[in-house]
Amino acid sequence: EAGVAQSPRYKIIEKRQSVAFWCNPISGHATLYWYQQILGQGPKLLIQFQNNGVVDDSQLPKDRFSAERLKGVDSTLKIQPAKLEDSAVYLCASSLGDRYTDTQYFGPGTRLTVL
Amino acid sequence: QKEVEQNSGPLSVPEGAIASLNCTYSDRVSQSFFWYRQYSGKSPELIMSIYSNGDKEDGRFTAQLNKASQYVSLLIRDSQPSDSATYLCAVNIVDKVIFGPGTSLSVIP
Repeated sequence: EAGVAQSPRYKIIEKRQSVAFWCNPISGHATLYWYQQILGQGPKLLIQFQNNGVVDDSQLPKDRFSAERLKGVDSTLKIQPAKLEDSAVYLCASSLGDRYTDTQYFGPGTRLTVL
Repeated sequence: QKEVEQNSGPLSVPEGAIASLNCTYSDRVSQSFFWYRQYSGKSPELIMSIYSNGDKEDGRFTAQLNKASQYVSLLIRDSQPSDSATYLCAVNIVDKVIFGPGTSLSVIP
């Protein structure tokens, strides 16, 4: 079974530029999560989708971050414009359902550096 | 109080010893508790989940949950150098899963 796929793996941009990340979850997984992990910290949930609907986006900085999950499968996360403090690893995860007992499977992450 | 807290690291133990990792959480009605392992530069992977008070064992790993004390721990017996990683505690708070800051474990050969 293929795991969660993410691209790109690394991205370096200058502040005020825009960037987009892509995620393809495990086949059949209804729930998709985007996390931001700053070095030395635990993952912070940015947005959670169930199928193509948003379940939680309370910690998404909506003035600069946006995310979509068209057709309930793959998803993109965009930052526009980027700030220095956005430097982090962006993790995508998926799970079968939306119950909080469901195991989350993580992709390899995208390491973003904002200069 | 932060929602999920973990003992500050780094934690160093000699090979073969027991490593003890602790986690406390703020929400008394939390029902689901997870331990993830994250190697440097890699993504988190689930080690264990626990939902009921008491101990749950899986090989060298034992998770312990005490809901009254709002405390969950992970014991690693016979620690190996390959166990060196950051261990993340995750707890469901209301309807989402919140991760702690992690504890870095180093097993010294």
